[in-house]
Amino acid sequence: DIVMTQTPLSSPVTLGQPASISCRSSQSLVHGDGNTYLSWLQQRPGQPPRLLIYKISNRFSGVPDRFSGSGAGTDFTLKISRVEAEDVGVYYCMQSTQFPQTFGQGTRVEIK
Amino acid sequence: QITLKESGPTLVKPTQTLTLTCTLSGFSVSRSGVGVGWIRQPPRKALEWLGIIYWDDDKRYNPSLKSRLTITMDTSKNQVVLTMTNMDPVDTATYFCAHSAYYGSGSFENWGQGTQVTVSS
Repeated sequence: DIVMTQTPLSSPVTLGQPASISCRSSQSLVHGDGNTYLSWLQQRPGQPPRLLIYKISNRFSGVPDRFSGSGAGTDFTLKISRVEAEDVGVYYCMQSTQFPQTFGQGTRVEIK
Repeated sequence: QITLKESGPTLVKPTQTLTLTCTLSGFSVSRSGVGVGWIRQPPRKALEWLGIIYWDDDKRYNPSLKSRLTITMDTSKNQVVLTMTNMDPVDTATYFCAHSAYYGSGSFENWGQGTQVTVSS
């Protein structure tokens, strides 16, 4: 199985300031079709997860442009340019390049 | 509008079989490119991928649970069913179903609200 490792596990942020989460996979996420199936999901308290970013850097429908994704191969980053109160929650990276699909441990974003 | 809704028992006894149903709306489970996956989340823990079924009835399971899991689809009812045998207290979790776009994002684009399952005698 591909292991997804996120850092940090907790990120206290001041409102209006940026936040960054890293995700590293235990092997390359480049699929045979040339795509890299690395996604980022947000889970607000008491809510199901919500897709933010897919294939490294594509924002899903309705996702604010303060969220951005980058990376390649085994190292990926989610950035929030200016954290808002509604961004509080747990963020997961997920790979769907190989079965079984796997998630990171989650990174909790909270307001200082 | 795509929606998914999980249903099933909230409490099961150890060794029993859990059956959960995911009812889909706004898309057909048999449409090319559609996948429906099951993911669970124990209390205060991370997400765990259980398995997925695709429009062509291709199924993939988490190897750690494969012997206990079965995912099927009922196209007439537009539902996907998860069956997990020999339930144990460690299986206590919120179980989510989610819609995957095989030809698009390759990820879970839409999620149900989840259903909480407790395993206890």
